[in-house]
Amino acid sequence: NAGVTQTPKFRILKIGQSMTLQCTQDMNHNYMYWYRQDPGMGLKLIYYSVGAGITDKGEVPNGYNVSRSTTEDFPLRLELAAPSQTSVYFCASSPPSGTPERETQYFGPGTRLLVL
Amino acid sequence: DAKTTQPTSMDCAEGRAANLPCNHSTISGNEYVYWYRQIHSQGPQYIIHGLKNNETNEMASLIITEDRKSSTLILPHATLRDTAVYYCIVRVADTGGFKTIFGAGTRPFVKA
Repeated sequence: NAGVTQTPKFRILKIGQSMTLQCTQDMNHNYMYWYRQDPGMGLKLIYYSVGAGITDKGEVPNGYNVSRSTTEDFPLRLELAAPSQTSVYFCASSPPSGTPERETQYFGPGTRLLVL
Repeated sequence: DAKTTQPTSMDCAEGRAANLPCNHSTISGNEYVYWYRQIHSQGPQYIIHGLKNNETNEMASLIITEDRKSSTLILPHATLRDTAVYYCIVRVADTGGFKTIFGAGTRPFVKA
């Protein structure tokens, strides 16, 4: 298994541009998440999904959109990039079983975004 | 979910056990304690979790006090490769993790 993969690894955007951060997992996990991490800070949840076709807002959803058309993919869309969205973005997934292991999140390598 | 408190940093001696504390005094009976670590610039990595019994795996040991108000992650033989941020999280199991809160964590400084 490749686990959780994210593309691109790094991107520079101009203010007002848009882009999509890609996230794919091959572990058949129902739950998927998008986090952002600012320098020296913890992770903040942007959006999450409990399965294909179902998404919900996390702690900091403003300025972002998501979709979940398949179990494997969970893209994150930035419509009008702003300097405040400069951050590292992590995608994660967790197993579908009804056990404590469901809380075990598997993270991708991250996408570093710089908005100038 | 219960809030956790961890020291921001701590010094550890290379080759010795590193004991990372976590306070979760408001933990409820159905909440598990989870530990993750994040090596610089990488995504967090799951280490271990437990409910009330002590747990051990190939990466670390987890000691939970009898009243469950605190726990300690033990890295048995700290090395420079253990330099990371360690997050202690308490969660009700089987709720999908979508409200997991990753705080600032603890950064152990492993010294030779």
